[in-house]
Amino acid sequence: DTAVSQTPKYLVTQMGNDKSIKCEQNLGHDTMYWYKQDSKKFLKIMFSYNNKELIINETVPNRFSPKSPDKAHLNLHINSLELGDSAVYFCASGTNAYEQYFGPGTRLTVT
Amino acid sequence: TQLLEQSPQFLSIQEGENLTVYCNSSSVFSSLQWYRQEPGEGPVLLVTVVTGGEVKKLKRLTFQFGDARKDSSLHITAAQPGDTGLYLCARDSNYQLIWGAGTKLIIKP
Repeated sequence: DTAVSQTPKYLVTQMGNDKSIKCEQNLGHDTMYWYKQDSKKFLKIMFSYNNKELIINETVPNRFSPKSPDKAHLNLHINSLELGDSAVYFCASGTNAYEQYFGPGTRLTVT
Repeated sequence: TQLLEQSPQFLSIQEGENLTVYCNSSSVFSSLQWYRQEPGEGPVLLVTVVTGGEVKKLKRLTFQFGDARKDSSLHITAAQPGDTGLYLCARDSNYQLIWGAGTKLIIKP
């Protein structure tokens, strides 16, 4: 009965590669989010999607692109990975901005 | 930037002790959320406070929203090892959440 799920849990890859992280929610929420948590545990929002429309797009590199095939899915695609992209990426969903439900995270390590 | 400051950054205490952590902002906000994040997992929502002066209790956890809606506190009574984790506060701003850097809490048995 997982509410928000992400795959993979761990991702180790080399610089320059392209990778994707998948996210699915079964809560029926209208909005989904992607966050990046750095080594100091600071959460920074990257994107959010509401009914398949991008409503927040923070100043992240355009190497990052969210893709939402339907309301229950929001995938994150990353091109030309860099060392600085290493972090934990969290997917979340919610009915409003105030209460969000998070996935277990994807730990990305770029070598 | 409407920052949230959390204090202390780190707290390590013995089981059974009481503690309070704080979340402060220079600006007024309409609501504030507290989350707990355990190692290797995502943040989990604990509570939302919306009214100035509001107090909410969740078992041994007491959350308070300041009268001026610029600050909040989380008090834990008789802390247990299971309370260990990163406590994050977040405020609403233009349809997104602004997050504090968190208080890392360790409860030693």
